[in-house]
Amino acid sequence: RKEVEQDPGPFNVPEGATVAFNCTYSNSASQSFFWYRQDCRKEPKLLMSVYSSGNEDGRFTAQLNRASQYISLLIRDSKLSDSATYLCVVKISASKIIFGSGTRLSIRP
Amino acid sequence: NAGVMQNPRHLVRRRGQEARLRCSPMKGHSHVYWYRQLPEEGLKFMVYLQKENIIDESGMPKERFSAEFPKEGPSILRIQQVVRGDSAAYFCASSPGRDQQNEQFFGPGTRLTVL
Repeated sequence: RKEVEQDPGPFNVPEGATVAFNCTYSNSASQSFFWYRQDCRKEPKLLMSVYSSGNEDGRFTAQLNRASQYISLLIRDSKLSDSATYLCVVKISASKIIFGSGTRLSIRP
Repeated sequence: NAGVMQNPRHLVRRRGQEARLRCSPMKGHSHVYWYRQLPEEGLKFMVYLQKENIIDESGMPKERFSAEFPKEGPSILRIQQVVRGDSAAYFCASSPGRDQQNEQFFGPGTRLTVL
């Protein structure tokens, strides 16, 4: 079993739709969680950290469920510019940071 | 306030040559991470360094690969006697410290092509 697992997608949704991704992790000692986005042939960029109480940033909402060991990302009112690969990142320690393989999202007009 | 810088952005080498990839972290960041990404795959951790120290190199291949982060100058990822399988994007990331909440900020990557 992979330490961090994501549905690779692709998710193909119309503009304006709401879309959600989950990411599961296997190490219960995981401390910090992040979502990054990566555009084709570009570097990953931090989208948001994920806090235990859940957090929201505009159209994006991230949640953490420690009991079930998953994090989620919800995108509301999706835009064409949201098309990217979304990477789930789990930090177990300063030197042990695991990236998921990513979920591809494609927003169609 | 420059971000993480990497150079070269593109590097072409023939089999058997050496590749040197450079990474300058963000100002004030003392922790550097190197990752490799193969086409259509996720990022794979290679090595974690602080100034003059290798903290974790568990993701580095045992042979041909080495990394350093000297007191002065950028971090260097060195690949000796490159093979076609080394072709990938190599990303460097930096963070300010060991705090668990510290995010990583990535450089634009170096795309290595081995002919």
